[in-house]
Amino acid sequence: QVQLVQSGAEVKKPGSSVKVSCKASGGTFSTSIIGWVRQAPGQGLEWMGRIIPALGITNYAENFQGRVTITADKSTSTVYMELSSLTSEDTAVYYCARDPAYRSSPRWYFDLWGRGTRVTVSS
Amino acid sequence: TVVTQEPSFSVSPGGTVTLTCALNSGSVSSDHYPSWYQQTPGQPPRTLIYSTKTRSSGVPDRFSGSILGNKAALTITGAQADDESHYYCVLYLGSGISVFGGGTKLTVL
Repeated sequence: QVQLVQSGAEVKKPGSSVKVSCKASGGTFSTSIIGWVRQAPGQGLEWMGRIIPALGITNYAENFQGRVTITADKSTSTVYMELSSLTSEDTAVYYCARDPAYRSSPRWYFDLWGRGTRVTVSS
Repeated sequence: TVVTQEPSFSVSPGGTVTLTCALNSGSVSSDHYPSWYQQTPGQPPRTLIYSTKTRSSGVPDRFSGSILGNKAALTITGAQADDESHYYCVLYLGSGISVFGGGTKLTVL
């Protein structure tokens, strides 16, 4: 059974970047789509972007355009989310989640979630 | 684009509650592929409903999804104590972009 295994917690300085990984354990991303969602402390969920690993196609929420980059390494079934120019407002738990796409055609929902990666931005 | 949910709602045990998900730019339809997620503190979200009304695997049938008027809706029939959670909707806006609603905190008392 596929699980999404995320990298560990990070502490970053303002102005720096963070790169969080999400690996499909027990399976591959071959036809799936992986999205990233974040949740600031005490706040709601925020959709950040997604990637179709098989095609390398990405889409980003307007709020993160120019600051977020999502990439995929098909050989290791790992997706990465890099967020740059960090501020304290980027302190959050970052989740990866799978869209159970059929042959890379999205179904527009998430059926599987990682456990989350806590990113703290502090000077 | 803003997706609006009721910030909070209360329901009595055994009661029925309908949470809604509205789009500031117009009506919600099945073309927005509404999905619903339940989240308890410290846990990742749990998928409840997708494509408007399809229950995810293992989700009890007391959870149902629909379009009510111009909004997506999640109805819980026969609420139980462990339904006390935050509930989030997601709408697909087109061009590969989705957006979460602000979430509803449901209290069962």
